[in-house]
Amino acid sequence: ETGVTQSPTHLIKTRGQQVTLRCSSQSGHNTVSWYQQALGQGPQFIFQYYREEENGRGNFPPRFSGLQFPNYSSELNVNALELDDSALYLCASSFRTQQETQYFGPGTRLLVL
Amino acid sequence: GENVEQHPSTLSVQEGDSAVIKCTYSDSASNYFPWYKQELGKGPQLIIDIRSNVGEKKDQRIAVTLNKTAKHFSLHITETQPEDSAVYFCAASRGSGTYKYIFGTGTRLKVLA
Repeated sequence: ETGVTQSPTHLIKTRGQQVTLRCSSQSGHNTVSWYQQALGQGPQFIFQYYREEENGRGNFPPRFSGLQFPNYSSELNVNALELDDSALYLCASSFRTQQETQYFGPGTRLLVL
Repeated sequence: GENVEQHPSTLSVQEGDSAVIKCTYSDSASNYFPWYKQELGKGPQLIIDIRSNVGEKKDQRIAVTLNKTAKHFSLHITETQPEDSAVYFCAASRGSGTYKYIFGTGTRLKVLA
């Protein structure tokens, strides 16, 4: 176990709704990265937060947004849900000095109907 | 753009045999290469990693090799066991900026008892 927790574990939404996913980072880590993993694919980088600011973003539209809190936990928000947003959403925490390993949580499985 | 190719997509081996998974990356600035194991319903778990200043790294039955000139790296699992059955992902990352991971598409390894 990595110490990274995510909630909820599963979620079902309908198209057009909004969703918030939560992540608690491993103790001592100050950086959180979010990834989307479609069925049968590798994780795709959404964005990363370091010291409460977005620090890099992948090829995802603005309706994907996030927050990082002073305790380094994080939220991923997705507005105007689309069917293609159905995926496993993974949070990974790390300690940003130079290149540090990212430790993943168990993920939140989102199904958009 | 940044890309990581991973082969094979599926691999079946007899218990006790060796398994090899290969990845090729496109971004020459990549200098950190982790490997993750993902079991059904779980998040990716780090199994081994290698940095660009090292050509090979071993941890018990698992080893990783890196060829920077050819921009490819490989995972070697010896004396495979049924519990090694899972999906394995390679990833590549730069040593600066966002430290985002670019993942391969995954290899489903089946170890037959």
